[in-house]
Order: sequence, then structure tokens, then C-alpha cells
Amino acid sequence: EIVMTQSPSTLSVSPGERATLSCRASQSVFNNLAWYQQKPGQPPRLLIYAASTRATGVPARFSGSGSGTEFSLTISSLQSEDFAVYYCQHYNVWPPFTFGPGTKVHIK
Amino acid sequence: EVQLVESGGGVVRPGGSLRLSCEASGFTFDDYGMTWVRQVPGKGLEWVSGINWNGDNTAYGDSVKGRFTISRDNAKNALYLQMSSLRVEDTAFYYCAKSTCGSGGFWCPLTAWGQGILVTVSS
Repeated sequence: EIVMTQSPSTLSVSPGERATLSCRASQSVFNNLAWYQQKPGQPPRLLIYAASTRATGVPARFSGSGSGTEFSLTISSLQSEDFAVYYCQHYNVWPPFTFGPGTKVHIK
Repeated sequence: EVQLVESGGGVVRPGGSLRLSCEASGFTFDDYGMTWVRQVPGKGLEWVSGINWNGDNTAYGDSVKGRFTISRDNAKNALYLQMSSLRVEDTAFYYCAKSTCGSGGFWCPLTAWGQGILVTVSS
């Protein structure tokens, strides 16, 4: 099973600031990596897939990068609606397609 | 509009069984793989099981393997999760999600999610 880790576990950011979240896989997942956003009381929402492709309707301030074992999600200028928990997930060939433990982005 | 609606949750004793259902609409159900993901309240996401478009390819997370069975009925646009030998640690919200693979598989991103259904395993 591929183990996904995320750092930091929590991130305090002021509105308008840039936030960078990291995700690491225990072995290469190539670019088979997705990022999800989850707000309280809601299901997760797909933000990024194939490591760097924005899903439909996702604002351009969200960007993803990386390949292999190291990935990052950047929010260029945090808006109030961006404060949430962010999860990475691999979907590389063999299940289980594990999620990272999440990074909570909250208001500084 | 894609809609996924889970049902069948509730309270069950340890060792008991429960079947979750997910009714899909707004897309051609038998073109897509489907996935179950669960979340202990206040905790992270756990991938539970996936099934391809026609049901002949399935997979399970290690924590549920041998106890849970995923299936689908394309005529009814429905996904199921049969859960048996339930444990206290299976208590969670269970989400069904649409896997967007061109091939109809489930080894791909989850582009749509239901609202989730709570399963509580308690004596």
C-alpha cells in the first residue's frame, strides 16, 4: 500500500496571502495525484487531478505541481471561501488509492 | 447535474451487517467506475472500495477486505456496499463517488460525491 503524507497538518494564513501545501507518496505515483477540498459538513470537492490539471470550475488561484513522490498545491491569494481541509490522493494503478491525512488551512 | 444519494445507514451492533445504496442520476451510470470512501467524524478520508463500469473488476482497502462487498446494478443506476462482520471502527460517514476514467475504471480522480451517510457500529 502506498502511504501518503501531507505537511503541514495545519496552516495559518491571512486572506490575500499565498499558501503552499505539500504531499508526499511513499513510492512513485507518477502524476496520478489528485487534490480535494473539504469544508465542514460537506463532501470533498475535486480541485486538481493529474497533479496539475484544474478540475472544471476551479479558480485559477489553485495550482498543482510535482510528479513521482513530491507534490504541492498552491493557493496564490487566499479567499475567505478557501479556508478548509485539503487532501491529496493517489490513483496510481494498484488500489487502495490512499488519501493523505489532510492539511487544515485556517485564518490567521 | 450529477447527483449521488446514499441510503441505508444507521446503527448496527458489532458483528452485524448493513447494506448501503447509492442512487445515481445526471450521467450515464454504466460508463463510469464508482468508489466508496469513508470518513470517521472529524477525521480524514479512507478509500474503501472501487468497482469498474460492469462490475467485473473490484478492489478493497485492507481494513475491509473480506468483510465488505461492492456491487452495482446498472439497470437501476445503483451502487451498493454490503458490509458484514461490522466493527466499532467501521463507524463513519460513507460517501459514494463517481470515478472519472475514460475506460470505465475506478483508478482515477473522484469528480462527484454524494452527501454521505452515517453508519454507527455500537453495542
